[in-house]
Amino acid sequence: EVQLVESGGGLVQPGGSLRLSCAASRFTFSSYWMSWVRQAPGKGLEWVANIEEDGSEKYYVDSVKGRFTISRDNAKNSLYLQMNSLRAEDTAVYYCARVSGAAAAADYWGQGTLVTVSS
Amino acid sequence: SYELTQPPSVSVSPGQTARITCSGDALVKQYAYWYQQEPGQAPVLVIKRDTERPLGIPERFSGSNSGTTVTLTISGVQAEDEADYYCQSADSSGAYWVFGGGTKLTVL
Repeated sequence: EVQLVESGGGLVQPGGSLRLSCAASRFTFSSYWMSWVRQAPGKGLEWVANIEEDGSEKYYVDSVKGRFTISRDNAKNSLYLQMNSLRAEDTAVYYCARVSGAAAAADYWGQGTLVTVSS
Repeated sequence: SYELTQPPSVSVSPGQTARITCSGDALVKQYAYWYQQEPGQAPVLVIKRDTERPLGIPERFSGSNSGTTVTLTISGVQAEDEADYYCQSADSSGAYWVFGGGTKLTVL
């Protein structure tokens, strides 16, 4: 079965940076779009970013544009999210997800990594 | 950008039918997807492209579309179905996504 394992979360001060990683296995990583979705404590899901199979095109929610960068390394079966200029409102569990090959939806999710932005 | 609107909560007794709605103008042209999220767990896709059930999802889960409103129906609700449910859609390119605010399903 598809496996997605996030890492890199933690406590960071406002204005700081953090890089999340997602290790993918048990599927052909280079054939799928990938996505980051976040969930603030006690709140709903919020889509953050998508990246195409070869990394050539990237898409972001307006609230993170210019601060976050999604990337991938298909040779390492890994997805990344570089987060800069972090704000308190970025505090959330960040999920890595595989985008279904035939639909604009996430068919497999990791267990998430918690990012806390606080002084 | 656009919005998807869900009721905050729905309550049903075991064995009854639960219906959770999701409304948004974009749903006339774009597919909707539904996720189930149990406490402390990652979401699970339960309905794709308005009405399709992914492999492994019980038959009691179904979806429908009537223009600007899509509905997730859970027939014969079981205690294990108590969870948060989210609808999701995308723009015409499929690249930009939006989630509804989520609906907490309580099984009485």
